[in-house]
Amino acid sequence: EPEVTQTPSHQVTQMGQEVILRCVPISNHLYFYWYRQILGQKVEFLVSFYNNEISEKSEIFDDQFSVERPDGSNFTLKIRSTKLEDSAMYFCASMRGIEGYTFGSGTRLTVV
Amino acid sequence: LAKTTQPISMDSYEGQEVNITCSHNNIATNDYITWYQQFPSQGPRFIIQGYKTKVTNEVASLFIPADRKSSTLSLPRVSLSDTAVYYCLVGPDTGRRALTFGSGTRLQVQP
Repeated sequence: EPEVTQTPSHQVTQMGQEVILRCVPISNHLYFYWYRQILGQKVEFLVSFYNNEISEKSEIFDDQFSVERPDGSNFTLKIRSTKLEDSAMYFCASMRGIEGYTFGSGTRLTVV
Repeated sequence: LAKTTQPISMDSYEGQEVNITCSHNNIATNDYITWYQQFPSQGPRFIIQGYKTKVTNEVASLFIPADRKSSTLSLPRVSLSDTAVYYCLVGPDTGRRALTFGSGTRLQVQP
């Protein structure tokens, strides 16, 4: 079964540092997403990406965040200057266009 | 987006059938009902999606009454590995839409 692959599985970074979370979506999918889940809280939408541009973004996705699909396979989330409250599981997801998303296993980001 | 209400938690035993009901009184005509499963420290996993009546796949069944104001996810003969959080989501079936997750139903399966 095709998978969405995320790397790294766990990243620890110092406050103020930049981090890049990487994702390889399923190859024939057209829609790409980032979600996050703070420990013990709900899964929250960050951003959706289609046709090489952002389709929709939430209030969480401020100027500190950016996404990129630099080539035909990778999809990245960059946080420019991390804050303690950015500590969370970050999930990448992709979708062909119908039915459900396929989520990756996530990257646990710990900001210290 | 239609608001959904589901039980916070449920307990079951191995081998039993589990039915989780979700209320969505304000469902719109073009909304679909989708269920996801999430294990600790993993991403949500798509289980099943339906629009009306009954949908069945190898994992679960989804029952939707004619008025579509509720839906029931049915898990036949659960095992310990079905212990997870189950989310009911309602919205248009378009690829660009953001998913809005609620708190879900925490299912605990005991031996």
